[in-house]
Amino acid sequence: SQKIEQNSEALNIQEGKTATLTCNYTNYSPAYLQWYRQDPGRGPVFLLLIRENEKEKRKERLKVTFDTTLKQSLFHITASQPADSATYLCALPNSGGYQKVTFGTGTKLQVIP
Amino acid sequence: NAGVTQTPKFQVLKTGQSMTLQCAQDMNHEYMSWYRQDPGMGLRLIHYSVGAGITDQGEVPNGYNVSRSTTEDFPLRLLSAAPSQTSVYFCASSYAAGWETEAFFGQGTRLTVV
Repeated sequence: SQKIEQNSEALNIQEGKTATLTCNYTNYSPAYLQWYRQDPGRGPVFLLLIRENEKEKRKERLKVTFDTTLKQSLFHITASQPADSATYLCALPNSGGYQKVTFGTGTKLQVIP
Repeated sequence: NAGVTQTPKFQVLKTGQSMTLQCAQDMNHEYMSWYRQDPGMGLRLIHYSVGAGITDQGEVPNGYNVSRSTTEDFPLRLLSAAPSQTSVYFCASSYAAGWETEAFFGQGTRLTVV
């Protein structure tokens, strides 16, 4: 199955700066990758999906890149706000049918006013 | 739309008891799944279903049963609860089996087995 590494240490960043979170994966390269946001006591909420033929994808202040050579995705939040504080998870499908999805353990982001 | 609804939100069980975690979605999604989330472990797939009448095992299926008699409902049964099953359980659904579409999660069920 897919193995995913996200920085388990919390990321503290000043309001207004750009936050960059990393998702590294091993084994095979998936056709797509997803990012989710999870707030304490809540279920994950889908943010973005990027396909292997898309080097970059944007949605408002969010930007995701997907480097299949490095086996890495970067998730950027520009002009970060305290409301962006949450845990961010990346998720990839396993090989052989994409019916099983593996999640990373997530990176906790804290935006300091 | 209600989205994905899980009940109960909290539950305390004694070792050896059985119970069913309920999950219902009103989006006519074919794909549904159950995850458990433990500190430092991330979300781990327990069971999933690609449509009514079809279920399959995920990464950590032991101790759990599922069935999918309707498109809307996907209950998770704990046959004989063990302290190792103390966790937060999430049900999720999506339109496509390949998850190349947005996945919706329920609010979770926090289960404690004593």
